[in-house]
Parts: sequence; structure tokens; C-alpha cells
Amino acid sequence: NAGVTQTPKFQVLKTGQSMTLQCAQDMNHNSMYWYRQDPGMGLRLIYYSASEGTTDKGEVPNGYNVSRLNKREFSLRLESAAPSQTSVYFCASSPGHEKGSPLHFGNGTRLTVT
Amino acid sequence: LAKTTQPISMDSYEGQEVNITCSHNNIATNDYITWYQQFPSQGPRFIIQGYKTKVTNEVASLFIPADRKSSTLSLPRVSLSDTAVYYCLGPNQAGTALIFGKGTTLSVSS
Repeated sequence: NAGVTQTPKFQVLKTGQSMTLQCAQDMNHNSMYWYRQDPGMGLRLIYYSASEGTTDKGEVPNGYNVSRLNKREFSLRLESAAPSQTSVYFCASSPGHEKGSPLHFGNGTRLTVT
Repeated sequence: LAKTTQPISMDSYEGQEVNITCSHNNIATNDYITWYQQFPSQGPRFIIQGYKTKVTNEVASLFIPADRKSSTLSLPRVSLSDTAVYYCLGPNQAGTALIFGKGTTLSVSS
């Protein structure tokens, strides 16, 4: 039982390049989330998918797009990377989208944009 | 960021009890009070959640006063492996979601 799996673990991009961060969960959870974590800023929500077929913006959605491919997978795409998007990206899932529903996190993707 | 206030950092020694208090004045009456733990190079991990009074599990205890404006996470007899960042969740500006604050970095020494 792997929980939440994120790929890749590390990535370096040049400004303007695009890439997709992959996330998959095997807990049959309905809701999935993408966060970014910057030093001194805690975790900030980028996008979420409350259930399969739906996606919504979080606190910091600009510069990102998401796709809920199926119940298991939720991807995050950077169309034109910028240095300000250098961060650690975490995917999470939860049984439902109710406030307080416990989140299960992956171990992150460390992205550097030069 | 969440409307929460918790100490930026705390230091402790192995075997001591550690109490981390979080203020969340604007938490809604029907919201759970939730804490997460994050080790270096890992994602956060849910550790405990409660609505009122006291909750205890194998990792920690959570004390919530009647007014629910704050909560205290208690770690009994910490070890070096409890060195981590501890987050309490609080409401966002609109009150529609519980989000992460900046957390408390706990350092445990031998």
C-alpha cells in the first residue's frame, strides 16, 4: 500500500519550459490536492479536486493547470515555468472534501527553475 | 496563510514533555481542530484532531478549552525522532477551508 506517490522527486527546468508533475493515490480517496511549500511560508494550496471530474482553484493558482485524470490520478502542469515557481510541491488526498478531513501527503517534488 | 498563531520554534531535551499552543480565534463552531507533523524531506503527516476537551492517541494528546480559541498539542517524553515542524490548521480568510500556518519547528536534543 504505497499511499500517495509523486513523480518525479527532483526536477530542474529553464525559464519558459513546461512540465507535468504526476500524483497517484491507492487509498480510493475522493479528494486530491496540490500544495507548494516555500521557506517560511508553510504550505499553500494551488488547486484541488473535491471529487473525480471536478477541479477548483486554491490560494495560489496562477501559472498552473491541473487535470483529474481518474479517481487515482491528479496532475499539475506548469505551462511556462518561472523562477518564482521554484518550490517543493506536495500532492495530498483525503477521503472527502469536508473541512478537517485528514490529508495524506506524498513526499514531494523539488522543482528548481533557473 | 491561516489565521493562527503558534511559536516559530521550540527546543527540548529527550524525555521531556513538550506542549505547543496554537491560537485560532476565528475557528468556526463546527470545525475540527487539526494538527500535522512534518519531518525534513517528507510531506506533512496527520497526527491528531479534536472538537472539544481532550483527545489522546498513540502519538500525542490534544487539549481544547471550552472557548475553542486555542489548542495545545502535548508530546509526552519526546525523543530525537520527534524533531519536526508541527502545524495547527486554521480558517482561511473566507472561512471556507482549514489551511496551514507557518508551523512550529521543534528541536529535540540529547
